[in-house]
Amino acid sequence: DTAVSQTPKYLVTQMGNDKSIKCEQNLGHDTMYWYKQDSKKFLKIMFSYNNKELIINETVPNRFSPKSPDKAHLNLHINSLELGDSAVYFCASSQERLAGNTGELFFGEGSRLTVL
Amino acid sequence: GQQVMQIPQYQHVQEGEDFTTYCNSSTTLSNIQWYKQRPGGHPVFLIQLVKSGEVKKQKRLTFQFGEAKKNSSLHITATQTTDVGTYFCAGLSSNTGKLIFGQGTTLQVKP
Repeated sequence: DTAVSQTPKYLVTQMGNDKSIKCEQNLGHDTMYWYKQDSKKFLKIMFSYNNKELIINETVPNRFSPKSPDKAHLNLHINSLELGDSAVYFCASSQERLAGNTGELFFGEGSRLTVL
Repeated sequence: GQQVMQIPQYQHVQEGEDFTTYCNSSTTLSNIQWYKQRPGGHPVFLIQLVKSGEVKKQKRLTFQFGEAKKNSSLHITATQTTDVGTYFCAGLSSNTGKLIFGQGTTLQVKP
């Protein structure tokens, strides 16, 4: 069974369109994340949710809207797609943090978004 | 803002040679994690270091956490073609509680 699964794996779309990426984890973790990996492989955190509540919201355009219907799911909706949004988007999950000790991140396989 | 710098960005080695990647933080870290991402794959957790001066080994991989908890290194002895990929460090900031990834070091191994 896949621990963190995200769909779709590939997404090719035109500028200006709206698209969503879905993520589900079956590990029972409390915290889920969205990361963006650009062409230089830099991994940048976008959002983090703990038990359906937003706890990290980095400087991300508000065209990006995360939604967590329950603690096992974290979806990402992107409005008015731009060329610069082309990247691989990774969902991840971890156990709730204890003081000074972050659980390891389990990453999904990634969703490669190409905006034409 | 807080940064975690990782060097080198790229490294090409001959199979059998050693390889080291270094990670430096501008501020003290609570802990540091290391991940490996194979080409076309996703990051996979390797290890976490928590204590000052900690050294951990996994077969040919040796991980170190600096005494000041601001730097870390990953050393691979006698590289193999299966070691190919991008290695990321990720430091947990003591100040902000955020996990910040380094830029990654991409390792190529020539057979």
